[in-house]
Amino acid sequence: EIVLTQSPDFRSVTPKEKVTITCRASQSIGSGLHWYQQKPDQSPKLLIKYASQSFSGVPSRFSGSGSGTDFTLTINGLEAEDAATYYCHQSSFLPTTFGQGTKVEIK
Amino acid sequence: EVQLVESGGTVLRPGGSLRLSCVGSGFNFDDYGMSWVRQVPGKGLEWVSGSNWEGVTTGYADSVKGRFTISRDNAKNSLYLQMNSLRAEDTALYYCARHAYYPLLDAFDIWGQGTMVTVSS
Repeated sequence: EIVLTQSPDFRSVTPKEKVTITCRASQSIGSGLHWYQQKPDQSPKLLIKYASQSFSGVPSRFSGSGSGTDFTLTINGLEAEDAATYYCHQSSFLPTTFGQGTKVEIK
Repeated sequence: EVQLVESGGTVLRPGGSLRLSCVGSGFNFDDYGMSWVRQVPGKGLEWVSGSNWEGVTTGYADSVKGRFTISRDNAKNSLYLQMNSLRAEDTALYYCARHAYYPLLDAFDIWGQGTMVTVSS
């Protein structure tokens, strides 16, 4: 099973700050890495698919990069509405697996 | 509007059985692979099971293999999860999720609101 390790687990940031979340896979997964945002009491929402492809309707301040084992989600100019937990997810191998999540709090 | 609506969650005792349902609308249900993903409240996401568009190719997490069965009825735009021999550790919010394009391994582009299953003596 592919293990995805996100860092950090928690981040407290001020509005307009740049936020970077990393996801490391236990073995190479090519570009089969996706990012989701989950706000309290809501379902997860797809932000980025296949490492760097923005999903329809997602604000341009969200971007993704990486391949192989190391991936990054970047939020350029954090807004108050971005307070949420962010998860990475790999779909290159069964079972498909998720990272443990990174909680982003607004100061 | 594209949406998924789950139902069937309840409180039951260990060893019991339950069938969850998920109805899709606003899209051609039989064009898409589908999965079940669960989340213990306050914890992370765990993929449970997935199915290709016709229900022939399926996959399961090791934690549920042999106990859970995924199926679908495309004529009813419905996905199901039959859960047997339930354990306390199966307690979670169960989401239905649509695969973005590929049949079994893909990003999940649409999620339902979830249905809660509680297994407790």
